[in-house]
Amino acid sequence: GAGVSQSPSNKVTEKGKDVELRCDPISGHTALYWYRQRLGQGLEFLIYFQGNSAPDKSGLPSDRFSAERTGESVSTLTIQRTQQEDSAVYLCASSRDSTYPYEQYFGPGTRLTVT
Amino acid sequence: KNEVEQSPQNLTAQEGEFITINCSYSVGISALHWLQQHPGGGIVSLFMLSSGKKKHGRLIATINIQEKHSSLHITASHPRDSAVYICAVTLWGGSNYKLTFGKGTLLTVNP
Repeated sequence: GAGVSQSPSNKVTEKGKDVELRCDPISGHTALYWYRQRLGQGLEFLIYFQGNSAPDKSGLPSDRFSAERTGESVSTLTIQRTQQEDSAVYLCASSRDSTYPYEQYFGPGTRLTVT
Repeated sequence: KNEVEQSPQNLTAQEGEFITINCSYSVGISALHWLQQHPGGGIVSLFMLSSGKKKHGRLIATINIQEKHSSLHITASHPRDSAVYICAVTLWGGSNYKLTFGKGTLLTVNP
């Protein structure tokens, strides 16, 4: 079946512009995660959605970052007034559930470059 | 100090060699994950384990809960195994969905 998909695969934007990144999880996966990987650094947790529960936003680095998910489908990560330090690969992952640690399936990522 | 430490940071091997990558963690966990990331590619989950040992093809992952340590072994390594290998843990308790990552081990296998 189809894996996790993300779009766009690459995004170059000017500092100060807003960007929107999209994630399509695996059908039937109720849990969805966003991570960030800056150059030369490890992966960082950003935000987590589980069904209709309130999301865990504890990893969002500033109030310029927000994310939404409609039900158990598509999620969008929005970065407002982008800064150069936002340049990174943004990865989305989904899993069957999170009441017990399940294997997470990662998308190919969106490489964001802020000039 | 990071909650998840990997060693070595970089590893170069010749084709056919037996490879070991180590991961130590300092917190209570519900599971440990080994992930593989190819250059320019996405991330693939190799193993998720909470005890003992798992094997998939030439890959073996072990975990010692008492010592808070895990190893990833690759037998008969091949150039296509060249990738970054990442150890990650899900913490015990309310946030058992959240992955905390090591910095990764860059493996290069030369023909």
